[in-house]
Amino acid sequence: EVQLVESGGGLVKSGGSLRLSCAASGFTFSTYTMNWVRQAPGKGLEWVSSIGDSSSSIYYADSVKGRFTISRDNARDSLYLQMNSLRAEDTAVYYCARAYSTRGAFDIWGLGTMVTVSS
Amino acid sequence: QSVLTQPPSASGTPGQRVTISCSGSSSNIGSNTVNWYQQLPGTAPKLRIYSNNQRPSGVPDRFSGSKSGTSASLAISGVQSEDEADYYCAAWDDSLNGWVFGGGTKLTVL
Repeated sequence: EVQLVESGGGLVKSGGSLRLSCAASGFTFSTYTMNWVRQAPGKGLEWVSSIGDSSSSIYYADSVKGRFTISRDNARDSLYLQMNSLRAEDTAVYYCARAYSTRGAFDIWGLGTMVTVSS
Repeated sequence: QSVLTQPPSASGTPGQRVTISCSGSSSNIGSNTVNWYQQLPGTAPKLRIYSNNQRPSGVPDRFSGSKSGTSASLAISGVQSEDEADYYCAAWDDSLNGWVFGGGTKLTVL
C-alpha cells in the first residue's frame, strides 16, 4: 500500500526548532518529488516547500524561506523538514505529499502532524 | 489573501450540478495546469482533478474540471451527500516559483 506517515510534531516555544519526518512506503521514493503543505487551524492549505527526486531542485514559500530546510534521504525513504526560528503563525498541521515532478499534482498525502508554537 | 480566488461556499441538492470557480493570473493558471483537491472534515486532502481536467484512477466521473485563460472550474454532476467537503484549487506560480492554493470552497449538500 502506498503510504506517507509524518512524525515529529509537537508543542514548541516561539523561536524554537523542530524537525519533521515523513516515512514513505509502497512506492519507489527516490523517483518522486516530495512536498510539505501546511494548514493552520480553521484555515486553508498553504504550500511550504518542494524537493526534487535527487535533491537538486528545492523551493520554499516566502513565508518560511531562510527558516525552514527541506531534505530527503532516499536510502531511508524519508523526507524531512527542519524548522528553525518558529513563530506563532507556523502553528499548523503539516502534511507531506508526493508528486511526479516539481509541477506535478500532489497525488498521495500523509495524515499530517500537528505543530503548535506557543508565544 | 490567497493568490487564487475561490468562492468561500457553494451548495446544491442531491443530484444537482455544482460548479466551483478558481481565478488566478497569467503567472499561475494562465501558464500552468490546475489541480483540485477535496478535503473531507477532519481528514487529509485528496487529489480529485489534475492537469485541468484529468481524473485520477478511482475518482468518480461525476467530477470534471476545465480551464480557460486565467480561470478554472470544478464541476460535480449529480452531487451526492458524500461530496460535502472543502475543495481547493492549486497551480504552480512562475513568478513566486512555488505552488499557490485557492482559499478553499466549502461545499454543502442540502
